[in-house]
Amino acid sequence: AQSVTQLGSHVSVSEGALVLLRCNYSSSVPPYLFWYVQYPNQGLQLLLKYTSAATLVKGINGFEAEFKKSETSFHLTKPSAHMSDAAEYFCAVSQTGANNLFFGTGTRLTVIP
Amino acid sequence: GAGVSQSPSNKVTEKGKDVELRCDPISGHTALYWYRQSLGQGLEFLIYFQGNSAPDKSGLPSDRFSAERTGGSVSTLTIQRTQQEDSAVYLCASSLIKAQSGNTIYFGEGSWLTVV
Repeated sequence: AQSVTQLGSHVSVSEGALVLLRCNYSSSVPPYLFWYVQYPNQGLQLLLKYTSAATLVKGINGFEAEFKKSETSFHLTKPSAHMSDAAEYFCAVSQTGANNLFFGTGTRLTVIP
Repeated sequence: GAGVSQSPSNKVTEKGKDVELRCDPISGHTALYWYRQSLGQGLEFLIYFQGNSAPDKSGLPSDRFSAERTGGSVSTLTIQRTQQEDSAVYLCASSLIKAQSGNTIYFGEGSWLTVV
């Protein structure tokens, strides 16, 4: 079975501060891991994905995530938050044999000016 | 079109009525997915289509929900005898091939369904 846990349904950071959104996965085989962002009243947009190549994955808008097998984690980070980063962020996992992505419950990021 | 297109973008319906939601995937994408996003919840998988294979319906919450995909392209999600708990955003997505190989799934902007 596979699942994703996102710690913290709401995260607030000051503009310019580090962004850290946590994601832990459960998977019986090596997973593929994704971060999606959802801006208000919009669909989901892919930020980045891990597909067993480099463990540190760089995505759009300055975000990156590191796959840590020993910690079963795939936390999303950005060195300096911007007001435009305010959105909901979803971590997702898939694996060989699966027909779809399994999503976490999301983390809403608020950026304080 | 360039992206996944969904219609209607918003739908308000009375309890007990049937609704149809339409999805037009990215051209050439053989895999198509429907997800449901309820307020404050994550995304719940509903159904998956891959080419001409039998769909994976394992996520459909009840027999009031059904979906079809005609000609391997456009898909329609039908909810019969709608209930208030069906109120949610219904997201359609597509990918070149199925998700198991880490392929990116592209999402539409969703159909917001409100049952009153």
